[in-house]
Amino acid sequence: NAGVTQTPKFRILKIGQSMTLQCTQDMNHNYMYWYRQDPGMGLKLIYYSVGAGITDKGEVPNGYNVSRSTTEDFPLRLELAAPSQTSVYFCASGYEGGRTSPLHFGNGTRLTVT
Amino acid sequence: ILNVEQSPQSLHVQEGDSTNFTCSFPSSNFYALHWYRWETAKSPEALFVMTLNGDEKKKGRISATLNTKEGYSYLYIKGSQPEDSATYLCAAGHQGGKLIFGQGTELSVKP
Repeated sequence: NAGVTQTPKFRILKIGQSMTLQCTQDMNHNYMYWYRQDPGMGLKLIYYSVGAGITDKGEVPNGYNVSRSTTEDFPLRLELAAPSQTSVYFCASGYEGGRTSPLHFGNGTRLTVT
Repeated sequence: ILNVEQSPQSLHVQEGDSTNFTCSFPSSNFYALHWYRWETAKSPEALFVMTLNGDEKKKGRISATLNTKEGYSYLYIKGSQPEDSATYLCAAGHQGGKLIFGQGTELSVKP
């Protein structure tokens, strides 16, 4: 099994550009999450989804959009990239929001906005 | 606002020392507490998932406890080794499936 796959691994964007970070999982998990790594702040929740067709905001949703058309895929869209969005982004998935089992993480996407 | 706090922010110990960290979380609408080990340039690696008040989990030299009534969890490392150096993250799950992470405790173990 591949687990959670994120693409791309690295990306450099100019201010104002847009892009989509891809995330797919093959474990049939119903819950999926997007986090960003802020120095000294751990992981901040951007958006999450409890199943196909259902998404909800996390702690830091501004500047991002998500969709969940299938169980497997949970892409994160950045519109009008800003330097403040320079970060490492992690996608994660799990059963029932981690009630009895941990999240599985992708390898991360390192994004630089200049 | 769900606030998950970890302390200390960083810890420097000698090889062989035992250490512990704290994770505090809002106890209302809580359903699970996770601990992860996170090494630089890698993805977080799961250590424990706990749900019930009084839960205790152990994996080798690492153990954790949970108090859901007062909203805290402790992670203990017995006889720290240099390979234990990493950031330790806790995450609290609240109603609706929102898993919120603390800011992490960065552990450095000197040989």
